[in-house]
Amino acid sequence: QVQLVQSGAEVKKPGASVKVSCKASGYTFTSYAMHWVRQAPGQRLEWMGWINAGNGNTKYSQKFQGRVTITRDTSASTAYMELSSLRSEDTAVYYCARATWVRDSSGKPRGWYFDLWGRGTLVTVSS
Amino acid sequence: QTVVTQEPSLTVSPGGTVTLTCASSTGAVTSGYYPNWFQQKPGQAPRALIYSTSNKHSWTPARFSGSLLGGKAALTLSGVQPEDEAEYYCLLYYGGALVFGGGTKLTVL
Repeated sequence: QVQLVQSGAEVKKPGASVKVSCKASGYTFTSYAMHWVRQAPGQRLEWMGWINAGNGNTKYSQKFQGRVTITRDTSASTAYMELSSLRSEDTAVYYCARATWVRDSSGKPRGWYFDLWGRGTLVTVSS
Repeated sequence: QTVVTQEPSLTVSPGGTVTLTCASSTGAVTSGYYPNWFQQKPGQAPRALIYSTSNKHSWTPARFSGSLLGGKAALTLSGVQPEDEAEYYCLLYYGGALVFGGGTKLTVL
């Protein structure tokens, strides 16, 4: 079964770090990218960054640069998102999402194709 | 800081047609922003509907269509169903980085 299974809810204190995992199954993990998106309570979706699960290259949102690290373990078909220096505003549901960078038949880029999401991991930051 | 703007809320009658738009603070949205559209219902993860402006996923109902309209990305629902009541988000590409819009809460009434 093709799915992304995320780790369970976390409660952290301000200043701490959190590491959320996203285990892929049912497909070739290294053939896709994995994006991370978060959503604070009642707020918009917020893109955090992505990793090329094949070569490990990453790209982060400027907003989270320096605080977020996305990694992967190909032997475990698992992607990780670690966020440091947590503050209350980081309380959110964190999602992983599988995506492919698509091109048309002539090789022209067509952008990202998102097709599979995890169910989300609630991270609560509270003293 | 790049801001992507959507209508905060829209209301449509069942069977009606509604268009949601997605604007960029950097100027007109073109196909090079590769707009994606997502639907999200309460307590659920987002679900992709449209990629690369107007391309549907295999699971996207035919009543959903994407386009560029007046310098914005647009999502049109024709023949709206009660189950289409949800939050809709656009996602734009900025040379590597991605930015979500603020979302449109669509009410079917």
